[in-house]
Amino acid sequence: GQQVMQIPQYQHVQEGEDFTTYCNSSTTLSNIQWYKQRPGGHPVFLIQLVKSGEVKKQKRLTFQFGEAKKNSSLHITATQTTDVGTYFCAGNTGFQKLVFGTGTRLLVSP
Amino acid sequence: GAVVSQHPSWVICKSGTSVKIECRSLDFQATTMFWYRQFPKQSLMLMATSNEGSKATYEQGVEKDKFLINHASLTLSTLTVTSAHPEDSSFYICSAARGNQPQHFGDGTRLSIL
Repeated sequence: GQQVMQIPQYQHVQEGEDFTTYCNSSTTLSNIQWYKQRPGGHPVFLIQLVKSGEVKKQKRLTFQFGEAKKNSSLHITATQTTDVGTYFCAGNTGFQKLVFGTGTRLLVSP
Repeated sequence: GAVVSQHPSWVICKSGTSVKIECRSLDFQATTMFWYRQFPKQSLMLMATSNEGSKATYEQGVEKDKFLINHASLTLSTLTVTSAHPEDSSFYICSAARGNQPQHFGDGTRLSIL
């Protein structure tokens, strides 16, 4: 079945450092979504990318969808302690069914 | 933004008990609701997809007789874990979507079976 892998599994940074998580799907996606889950919380929708090569920015967060629509990345510039959490990508093959990535857990030290 | 309410948020019960979890979309009509399970430090795994008025579609490996899903209206879906056992202990999360819009997640239910 379809698999969506993320690397790294875990990253610990100092506040102010940048952070990137990479997402790779075994199959071509119609769109990709990114979610953030705080410890003990539920996933919160961040953004959806649809077009090949699309790049979107939300303040310090930059999201990119690969040309082949099989990979994506999330980059955070100058991390803050409020960025702590697990970031999941979720691939949509066009039937509204999401396959969540394995997640990247981010820890930010002040 | 869209609000999805999930109840209860936390359940502790004895082995053999059946537990019902409700998922409601409060401010929109959800054409599709999804049920996920998440074990500690793992990703969300889709259990089933339900559309209002029709039978749920279960993912491979999910027992439909064990996890009963009812989607009675465009704003309510329920998941019943029948005869729960300790291995069913997990974080269960529902989500709701309208058409092809992004899914909105409930707060989740932590189920602990003793």
